[in-house]
Amino acid sequence: GAVVSQHPSWVICKSGTSVKIECRSLDFQATTMFWYRQFPKQSLMLMATSNEGSKATYEQGVEKDKFLINHASLTLSTLTVTSAHPEDSSFYICSARGGYGYTFGSGTRLTVV
Amino acid sequence: GQQVMQIPQYQHVQEGEDFTTYCNSSTTLSNIQWYKQRPGGHPVFLIQLVKSGEVKKQKRLTFQFGEAKKNSSLHITATQTTDVGTYFCAVTTGANSKLTFGKGITLSVRP
Repeated sequence: GAVVSQHPSWVICKSGTSVKIECRSLDFQATTMFWYRQFPKQSLMLMATSNEGSKATYEQGVEKDKFLINHASLTLSTLTVTSAHPEDSSFYICSARGGYGYTFGSGTRLTVV
Repeated sequence: GQQVMQIPQYQHVQEGEDFTTYCNSSTTLSNIQWYKQRPGGHPVFLIQLVKSGEVKKQKRLTFQFGEAKKNSSLHITATQTTDVGTYFCAVTTGANSKLTFGKGITLSVRP
């Protein structure tokens, strides 16, 4: 079946630094990648949608300059949280849409201290 | 945007009891998907329903799409502790078919 590999699984960073999260589709081509954020005991909130080779489309209220998304190839998308602050601490999950429907990465738990 | 409602957010059952939860929309849906997220895990696709009145079964799980395609149900027969987790319904919208999730219902099962 379709697999999306997401790294890192967890990361702790200092306030003001940047963190990059990678998602790779291992056995299929992900034409579209979605990035979600999930706070404790809440649902998944879509942050942005990216299509390979084009700029990401951000949801209302999501800062484009803070959450940089790159989808340079059909198998790799990255989310960079720039100048992270404690309020950015959350569970970040990618989802790739390909021939198998939607496949989720295992998530990245970000803690900003 | 299109939204789906899941109420309540938590339900506790005794192992062996049946469990049913619903997902409701004020608008007609083209399709609906169900996902399960275990504590600390990521959402795992369970099923997609497309046709009006469609019923699909996966072992002890039964999924149904309403006749008007405005609601869906998930029924678990004889719950087990392995059923613990949060169940989300989700719908696709827009040109990119982005997936929008309901708030989810967290099921706990007392052994």
